[in-house]
Amino acid sequence: EPEVTQTPSHQVTQMGQEVILRCVPISNHLYFYWYRQILGQKVEFLVSFYNNEISEKSEIFDDQFSVERPDGSNFTLKIRSTKLEDSAMYFCASRRTIFETGELFFGEGSRLTVL
Amino acid sequence: QKEVEQNSGPLSVPEGAIASLNCTYSDRGSQSFFWYRQYSGKSPELIMFIYSNGDKEDGRFTAQLNKASQYVSLLIRDSQPSDSATYLCAVNDQKTSYDKVIFGPGTSLSVIP
Repeated sequence: EPEVTQTPSHQVTQMGQEVILRCVPISNHLYFYWYRQILGQKVEFLVSFYNNEISEKSEIFDDQFSVERPDGSNFTLKIRSTKLEDSAMYFCASRRTIFETGELFFGEGSRLTVL
Repeated sequence: QKEVEQNSGPLSVPEGAIASLNCTYSDRGSQSFFWYRQYSGKSPELIMFIYSNGDKEDGRFTAQLNKASQYVSLLIRDSQPSDSATYLCAVNDQKTSYDKVIFGPGTSLSVIP
């Protein structure tokens, strides 16, 4: 069964360092997303991406964050200068269509710990 | 104003019983609704997806959607201890576009053997 894959599963970094989280969406999917979940809290929308452009972003997704689809398969989230409060689980998700039949599938997540 | 609301629980049911999970949403124009199961430390796992009013059944799971009441529910029949998890309701946010799915805070379910 096709799945969304994410790397790394866990990353530990020092405050102020840059972090890149990688995702390979399901191959025939066109819409890509990043979500985050701080420990014990709800799943929060960060950004959606379609046709090589950001289509929606939340207020969390400030100038420290960027997304890119550098080739035909990878979808990355970059955090330029990490803060302690960026410590969270980051989930990539994808869907084939945004219309009514578009089920949204999640990857296993990348746990980011900022020290 | 909260956009997707769920009772946080915990909801406890005995093994074999029916678990009923509820979700309300604020955006009347929302079209697609998802139920995910999330085990502690794991990613959300899609268990049901519904976009038409009425019931949708898949095995032990039934999703019920009432757009007029802005209400979506999930019934789990013959609950098993392995169903113990947090259940997340998610809604396609119509206020901005279709391209944003937002989550409720989740309901913790505990199935007691």
